[in-house]
Amino acid sequence: DAGVIQSPRHEVTEMGQEVTLRCKPISGHNSLFWYRQTMMRGLELLIYFNNNVPIDDSGMPEDRFSAKMPNASFSTLKIQPSEPRDSAVYFCASSLSSGSTDTQYFGPGTRLTVL
Amino acid sequence: AQSVTQLGSHVSVSEGALVLLRCNYSSSVPPYLFWYVQYPNQGLQLLLKYTSAATLVKGINGFEAEFKKSETSFHLTKPSAHMSDAAEYFCAVEESGSEKLVFGKGTKLTVNP
Repeated sequence: DAGVIQSPRHEVTEMGQEVTLRCKPISGHNSLFWYRQTMMRGLELLIYFNNNVPIDDSGMPEDRFSAKMPNASFSTLKIQPSEPRDSAVYFCASSLSSGSTDTQYFGPGTRLTVL
Repeated sequence: AQSVTQLGSHVSVSEGALVLLRCNYSSSVPPYLFWYVQYPNQGLQLLLKYTSAATLVKGINGFEAEFKKSETSFHLTKPSAHMSDAAEYFCAVEESGSEKLVFGKGTKLTVNP
């Protein structure tokens, strides 16, 4: 089992540029989560999908952030335009939603630095 | 809304000593609770979870946690610390009626030789 795959692992960009983070969930999982981790705010849920449909995007900071899940095996998180305060580690997690407590499996994260 | 408080952002123990990491939650309904571990430059890995079965939950790597409703606590323990336990530990509660996890701020565990 390959686990949750995220790319790139590291991204350095300049303020104002578009950034796209990618995630491949574990095969067969039907829920996908995007988190952001910073020293100041800890681990925050940005958005989650179930069966490719966004269920809750209340954690998305502002309109500069958008997420898509075009199919069951791929999701993107886009920031346009990026700002220095977006610098963080972004995690993707997936789970098999069965109606009870489902374990979320995390990817290794993408460390984003916006200069 | 549910919330989680982890007391102590840093905990330091000697190798072989007891590990105790504290977690208190607020929830209006019986919660589902989790402990995750994060090693440097890695994602989070599930240690254990409480799902309203036994109040004492055993996890991986010798860790266990006890759910105490009267104290709204879910503290994580390990009888004897190992150097490899050095990591950051996160307590989380699942929001009722959703799959959302609310995480605590984390506790960084240092194990001294």
